[in-house]
Amino acid sequence: EAGVVQSPRYKIIEKKQPVAFWCNPISGHNTLYWYLQNLGQGPELLIRYENEEAVDDSQLPKDRFSAERLKGVDSTLKIQPAELGDSAVYLCASSLSGSFANEQFFGPGTRLTVL
Amino acid sequence: SQQGEEDPQALSIQEGENATMNCSYKTSINNLQWYRQNSGRGLVHLILIRSNEREKHSGRLRVTLDTSKKSSSLLITASRAADTASYFCATNTGGFKTIFGAGTRLFVKA
Repeated sequence: EAGVVQSPRYKIIEKKQPVAFWCNPISGHNTLYWYLQNLGQGPELLIRYENEEAVDDSQLPKDRFSAERLKGVDSTLKIQPAELGDSAVYLCASSLSGSFANEQFFGPGTRLTVL
Repeated sequence: SQQGEEDPQALSIQEGENATMNCSYKTSINNLQWYRQNSGRGLVHLILIRSNEREKHSGRLRVTLDTSKKSSSLLITASRAADTASYFCATNTGGFKTIFGAGTRLFVKA
């Protein structure tokens, strides 16, 4: 069974440029998460989807970040415009449901560098 | 903000020794999970312990939970070089939110 797929794996852009990350969750997983991980820190939740609905986006900086999950499968996270402080690893994860007892499966992440 | 705080921040041991990592948290939880992250495989779920459980085992892993002290420990017995990674505790509170700590970096010397 394929795991969570993310692309690209690495992205280098200049500040003020837009950038987008793509995630394909494990088949059958209704819940999808986007996390941000800074160097030396644990992942921090940006947004959680239950199917197509964003049920927790309280930590998403909505002035520059946006996300969508069309058809309740793949998801895209966008930053426009990017700032130097956005350099981090962006992780996507999925689980069977949003139940707190469910294991989350993580993708390899996209390492973003903003110059 | 991160609820879990791992201790120590970094740990270096010899292969064959046991490694113990601790996690403290601030608010009541439904469960606590431990994850491992290394450069090759990303974040991988290791074990989940519910708030009404006190100890759980999985292979060479032993997790304890003390809700009165709001703390958990992860013990890796007979460590191997392949156990070199960062280990994170993640707490689940009301609202189904998972909050990760900053992690313990474990280095196992061959």
